Amino acid sequence: KAGVTQTPRYLIKTRGQQVTLSCSPISGHRSVSWYQQTPGQGLQFLFEYFSETQRNKGNFPGRFSGRQFSNSRSEMNVSTLELGDSALYLCASSVTGQANVLTFGAGSRLTVL
Amino acid sequence: GEDVEQSLFLSVREGDSSVINCTYTDSSSTYLYWYKQEPGAGLQLLTYIFSNMDMKQDQRLTVLLNKKDKHLSLRIADTQTGDSAIYFCAEKGLPSGAGSYQLTFGKGTKLSVIP
Repeated sequence: KAGVTQTPRYLIKTRGQQVTLSCSPISGHRSVSWYQQTPGQGLQFLFEYFSETQRNKGNFPGRFSGRQFSNSRSEMNVSTLELGDSALYLCASSVTGQANVLTFGAGSRLTVL
Repeated sequence: GEDVEQSLFLSVREGDSSVINCTYTDSSSTYLYWYKQEPGAGLQLLTYIFSNMDMKQDQRLTVLLNKKDKHLSLRIADTQTGDSAIYFCAEKGLPSGAGSYQLTFGKGTKLSVIP
């Protein structure tokens, strides 16, 4: 069974640009969550999608957005990039249920210059 | 808001037991998790425990939960060099109005295993 696939794995952008990251969840998983990981702030929740609807959003500015497609694949977008957006962006998928175990992808490492 | 605290570093000798501790503040936590992150990789789920349990054992891993003190620990028996990684404690609270859950993570404990 394939795991959670994130693309691209690494990317470098400059301030002011925008970036789109992609996540393909495990087959059958309908919930996709995104987290930002930085050395200073640790892992912070960005948003969660289920059946193409954003069900929950973390405390991030409106420059951070996402969407989910009918096949459960998800994308997140960051516009007007800032230096502080440099981070590892992790996507996780899960089936709905009590334990809500998240299975994470390897992440997309974004560097903003 | 919810907070999860962990010590940042732990160093043990190969073959010894490792104990990684975590405290959390959300009394409504339903599940608590331990994840492992190796360099350049995402997070790998190690184990999780339901909040009405005191202990869970899974091969070399033992999770202890003291719900009264909001304290969670992960014990790794016979620690190997391959166990060197960052270990994250996470808690799952009550769902949002839309039925969505999010995990709150600690900052992670870097475990170094000395050969």
